[in-house]
Amino acid sequence: GAVVSQHPSWVICKSGTSVKIECRSLDFQATTMFWYRQFPKQSLMLMATSNEGSKATYEQGVEKDKFLINHASLTLSTLTVTSAHPEDSSFYICSAKSLAGGPKTQYFGPGTRLLVL
Amino acid sequence: AQTVTQSQPEMSVQEAETVTLSCTYDTSESDYYLFWYKQPPSRQMILVIRQEAYKQQNATENRFSVNFQKAAKSFSLKISDSQLGDAAMYFCAYRNPMNRDDKIIFGKGTRLHILP
Repeated sequence: GAVVSQHPSWVICKSGTSVKIECRSLDFQATTMFWYRQFPKQSLMLMATSNEGSKATYEQGVEKDKFLINHASLTLSTLTVTSAHPEDSSFYICSAKSLAGGPKTQYFGPGTRLLVL
Repeated sequence: AQTVTQSQPEMSVQEAETVTLSCTYDTSESDYYLFWYKQPPSRQMILVIRQEAYKQQNATENRFSVNFQKAAKSFSLKISDSQLGDAAMYFCAYRNPMNRDDKIIFGKGTRLHILP
């Protein structure tokens, strides 16, 4: 149980286009989902926290208009990178927090590699 | 604000030997959770072990154990009988679920190499 999926796993796009990444909790309901960005050989950097039915909370320095987050249901959150540029190329990881609570209740997706040409 | 520090960017250990990865953290809170995550080349984050701060007993999961020193704010990971599959990036992490945002704060990671 407790599986989180991300789609797509790999995406290549042209500079100036927008890319949507989906994060789904497959067998549990997630009150909260977190979006991270990870550069090569670096740690995970939290970008934003999304709660179902409300606006996302962005970390300092993360552009809200650049990285649009929508958490429309208890099993789906999406991250849209708008007008992507080569510097947006990175590995994006989501995690989902279960309604059940407790210490072991944030589950990570497998990540999405984004390459902007 | 809470911080997590991993002072060893890379480490190597001979297969079947034991290795210890260091982690220190800073917090003013008394109740929290600490984790070690493994990130293999696939980049999937895998929870290795967790420790509740209110528990004095060190957590153990098979070949993985921690040395949790609350007063010193230290949380090291010991891997016994190292295996080739243990080669990965290891992240120490802090979380307080009672905080409204319930963020996980990660250290910078330690890359572990297993020498055959």
